[in-house]
Amino acid sequence: AQKITQTQPGMFVQEKEAVTLDCTYDTSDQSYGLFWYKQPSSGEMIFLIYQGSYDEQNATEGRYSLNFQKARKSANLVISASQLGDSAMYFCAMRGETSGSRLTFGEGTQLTVNP
Amino acid sequence: SAVISQKPSRDICQRGTSLTIQCQVDSQVTMMFWYRQQPGQSLTLIATANQGSEATYESGFVIDKFPISRPNLTFSTLTVSNLSPEDSSIYLCSVEYTEAFFGQGTRLTVV
Repeated sequence: AQKITQTQPGMFVQEKEAVTLDCTYDTSDQSYGLFWYKQPSSGEMIFLIYQGSYDEQNATEGRYSLNFQKARKSANLVISASQLGDSAMYFCAMRGETSGSRLTFGEGTQLTVNP
Repeated sequence: SAVISQKPSRDICQRGTSLTIQCQVDSQVTMMFWYRQQPGQSLTLIATANQGSEATYESGFVIDKFPISRPNLTFSTLTVSNLSPEDSSIYLCSVEYTEAFFGQGTRLTVV
C-alpha cells in the first residue's frame, strides 16, 4: 500500500518570500513517481512538478522546485518568491509500480500568501 | 502535456436525478481516470476507464451508481445516478503520461 502524508493543514507566507510545503511518503515500490498539484478555489487541479524515484537531480519548474530526499522518503515542494496568486490548496501525490497508474493523494496544505 | 476539456464545470441537481459528466482529451490515451473530491477532503479514485472494456471500480464505488462509458480513446463520461446530497462533490477526470493531468473539474451540488 502507498501512503502520502502532508502534516501542514495550513501555511502562511509573506509575498515575495519562499515557502516549503512538506510531503512524506511510504511505499515498498522501487520505481515510483511523485507529483505536486495546485488547486485554487475554482476546483481545477493544476499540475506543478514531477519527480521520478530514479531521477538523480531535484525537479524544478520555474518558481517551483521539489526537494527530493529518497532516504527520508520526503518530497517537499519549495515555492520561491511567493505571489498572491499562489494562495490555494496544494496536494502531494504518488504513483507506484504496484498501484498501476492510479494516484494516491495526501490530505493537502492550504497556502495563504499575505501582501 | 494534454488538454482535457471537462463539462459541465458546475451543476445544481435535484435529488433522485442523474448527472453525466463528459471528458474530452486532445490526444489518444489508453486509460482515463475518474476521481471524486468531497468537500474539504482529498481526491479519491472512483474508477479507471479503458477503451473497449468495462471500467474498473475502486472499493466503495459501484457501476450502478457511477456508470462510465469509454467509446473511444479520447472521450469518456461518468454518470452519477440517483443523486443524494452526499454526492455533492467535485468530480475530476484525469489522464496520465509520465505526468498526470486533470480536467477542470465538475462541481456538483445536490439539493
